[in-house]
Amino acid sequence: SQTIHQWPATLVQPVGSPLSLECTVEGTSNPNLYWYRQAAGRGLQLLFYSVGIGQISSEVPQNLSASRPQDRQFILSSKKLLLSDSGFYLCAWSPLRDSDEQFFGPGTRLTVL
Amino acid sequence: GENVEQHPSTLSVQEGDSAVIKCTYSDSASNYFPWYKQELGKRPQLIIDIRSNVGEKKDQRIAVTLNKTAKHFSLHITETQPEDSAVYFCAALPRGADKLIFGTGTRLQVFP
Repeated sequence: SQTIHQWPATLVQPVGSPLSLECTVEGTSNPNLYWYRQAAGRGLQLLFYSVGIGQISSEVPQNLSASRPQDRQFILSSKKLLLSDSGFYLCAWSPLRDSDEQFFGPGTRLTVL
Repeated sequence: GENVEQHPSTLSVQEGDSAVIKCTYSDSASNYFPWYKQELGKRPQLIIDIRSNVGEKKDQRIAVTLNKTAKHFSLHITETQPEDSAVYFCAALPRGADKLIFGTGTRLQVFP
């Protein structure tokens, strides 16, 4: 069966520091991968998605970037965090070619101080 | 592009009553409509979905109905229980697209 991992689970970072969040999927190949951010009490904001290695689509222009160095690995990065980057970061995957279903990872709660 | 509107934003019901959440979409070519439940501090979980070739789908106490003509779909929860309290998100997938378009969410509170 397929599983999705995210780490770290929680993170507290100072303003201006760099960020790297990692997401990996097991038990599938060539998944679509997604990064969402959820501010406290708010909805799901799609940040980036990828349909293959090295293919990244950006939904919201900001100081974040994403990379997909391997088929089942998706990384969210920032060179300098802002206070407004605080939130719950969710990675998700979908087989799409075989099924439309999308499944979320456990998330990373980021607090920028 | 596709746009999904979700109502109401908050819903309070008494335990045992029914709850209905409605979403409307703009792209008539959308063909897949999932519903997610997100408990406080947790990830959204897929609870039920429906495809455009089906009008209704049921799974125990939850059901989803789709009206393609009116371009809306609804989540129905019967015999609500306190553990149904959560935020519910609807979504739509346009045909041929790679990303879901989510509604803004409904906070459901079930009072004992």
